[in-house]
Amino acid sequence: AQTVTQSQPEMSVQEAETVTLSCTYDTSESNYYLFWYKQPPSRQMILVIRQEAYKQQNATENRFSVNFQKAAKSFSLKISDSQLGDTAMYFCAFMIQSQGYGGSQGNLIFGKGTKLSVKP
Amino acid sequence: EAGVAQSPRYKIIEKRQSVAFWCNPISGHATLYWYQQILGQGPKLLIQFQNNGVVDDSQLPKDRFSAERLKGVDSTLKIQPAKLEDSAVYLCASSLVRTSGLYNEQFFGPGTRLTVL
Repeated sequence: AQTVTQSQPEMSVQEAETVTLSCTYDTSESNYYLFWYKQPPSRQMILVIRQEAYKQQNATENRFSVNFQKAAKSFSLKISDSQLGDTAMYFCAFMIQSQGYGGSQGNLIFGKGTKLSVKP
Repeated sequence: EAGVAQSPRYKIIEKRQSVAFWCNPISGHATLYWYQQILGQGPKLLIQFQNNGVVDDSQLPKDRFSAERLKGVDSTLKIQPAKLEDSAVYLCASSLVRTSGLYNEQFFGPGTRLTVL
């Protein structure tokens, strides 16, 4: 069974500074995806960034980047130049990669989340 | 492009009552998911449909929860009878079904917050 662990229930950062959110996971699968989702108070889950396990290069999306350490099963999110709008719950998630018809879809396994507050 | 629609946004019921939630996925998305998010936790998959067939319902408490997607488009999730521990946000998501090897992003709706008293 796959598990995702986020050990930081809450974090805070000053506006314009950098913050790193931690995530570890456990799986026996070789091919999978890892994600960071943002959930603001509106409750809608928004995909922030995705990493394919077979890629050695860390994913980057504008101010968001990850540090993917496959051997250590670690997947942290770095937010640079933090903005007030980044205040939200952040969830790390895992999905097994499928090569079958229809591509990869299915059970997203989430961690418990980290509540990030960006302070002015 | 319209996103995933869910209704109602909020629902308060007493234990042992019944409740139903509705979800309309993004047009053209063959796969539909229902997740349960209990306060302080991440979402947990309850059921996954592809068109009108069930792909995975291994975590659905079938003694009280049911879901259907009769025409392969919108879906209804029902709880009967509700228990206190069913208080949660129920999220619906949808994704495309594409060729093998490609990743299909799940797009989430705004969720329904259920409170069972």
